[in-house]
Amino acid sequence: SQTIHQWPATLVQPVGSPLSLECTVEGTSNPNLYWYRQAAGRGLQLLFYSVGIGQISSEVPQNLSASRPQDRQFILSSKKLLLSDSGFYLCAWGNRAEAFFGQGTRLTVV
Amino acid sequence: GENVEQHPSTLSVQEGDSAVIKCTYSDSASNYFPWYKQELGKGPQLIIDIRSNVGEKKDQRIAVTLNKTAKHFSLHITETQPEDSAVYFCAAWASGTYKYIFGTGTRLKVLA
Repeated sequence: SQTIHQWPATLVQPVGSPLSLECTVEGTSNPNLYWYRQAAGRGLQLLFYSVGIGQISSEVPQNLSASRPQDRQFILSSKKLLLSDSGFYLCAWGNRAEAFFGQGTRLTVV
Repeated sequence: GENVEQHPSTLSVQEGDSAVIKCTYSDSASNYFPWYKQELGKGPQLIIDIRSNVGEKKDQRIAVTLNKTAKHFSLHITETQPEDSAVYFCAAWASGTYKYIFGTGTRLKVLA
């Protein structure tokens, strides 16, 4: 069966520091991969998605970037975090239609 | 692009009563509509979905209906239980776009 791993679960980072969140998927090949952000009590905002290695589509211009160095690995990065980058970051994978989420990373920028 | 609206934003029901959450979408090309349940501090979990060639789908106490003409779909939870309390999200997906567009969520509280 397919599983998705996302880490770390929580992260506290100072303003101006770099960020790297990693997501890996097991049990499937060539999945579509997604990064979403969820502000407290709010909905899911699509940040990036990828349909293949090295293919990244950005939905919202911002302080973040994404990379897909391997088929089942998706990384969310920032060179310098802003206070507004705080939130709950969710990785998801999908094939054709169904999408499945990881357990999320709660990022607090202080 | 696709836009998904979800109502209500909060919903309180007595245990044992039914709950209904409604969503509308704008892109007629959307052909897959999942519903997710998100518990506090966790990622959303897919609970039921429906494709555009089906009008209704049921799985035990939950059901989803789709009206393609009106571009709306609904989640129905019967015989609600306290463990149904969570935030529920609807979404729409159009083949060829690869993107899931989510509604803004409904916080359901089941009162014991």
